[in-house]
Amino acid sequence: SAVISQKPSRDICQRGTSLTIQCQVDSQVTMMFWYRQQPGQSLTLIATANQGSEATYESGFVIDKFPISRPNLTFSTLTVSNMSPEDSSIYLCSVTTSGKETQYFGPGTRLLVL
Amino acid sequence: QKEVEQNSGPLSVPEGAIASLNCTYSDRGSQSFFWYRQYSGKSPELIMFIYSNGDKEDGRFTAQLNKASQYVSLLIRDSQPSDSATYLCAVKHRSSASKIIFGSGTRLSIRP
Repeated sequence: SAVISQKPSRDICQRGTSLTIQCQVDSQVTMMFWYRQQPGQSLTLIATANQGSEATYESGFVIDKFPISRPNLTFSTLTVSNMSPEDSSIYLCSVTTSGKETQYFGPGTRLLVL
Repeated sequence: QKEVEQNSGPLSVPEGAIASLNCTYSDRGSQSFFWYRQYSGKSPELIMFIYSNGDKEDGRFTAQLNKASQYVSLLIRDSQPSDSATYLCAVKHRSSASKIIFGSGTRLSIRP
């Protein structure tokens, strides 16, 4: 499976600011996804990061709040914009590799918004 | 109705016994089924996947799929304290282009 890293691993941010989370994979992958896991909850898919085009967002998530980039096959960023305490969560990057259906997760970014 | 449903638990099982985790799904077009384990403070880790009806075994883990009844289960034999974690069931729809939907997870506690 691919080795996935995320930066930062954790952060504490002030209300109204923005944070960009990076996801780096050690090999080319076909699909990259961004999930959110709020305290005590399961994973919710935010969007699919498409290489070279706009991300595909799930219901309830919009580009203005969660802009996503994927400039190549190994890297993606998720920005959490104009943060509020409700955005406090773990944000996880996930990937699939060519010919495989299984998804593998990065270590996550733990975000606390004050 | 949620797309993927799991009992939240906690499920408490004595060490050495069999732990049985269940999951039901609503979309009959679902094709692929996954079990992830998540330790507290860690990201999900893939344990098993299953595509066909029946059982699939991997070491102490057995996944069972029954598409007619729309349920998938995970059995853990000879449960160890290190198996204590939250187990997430995940389902991929035939038309979802690799997107998978997660259940809310079952907390499993193995008591010594």
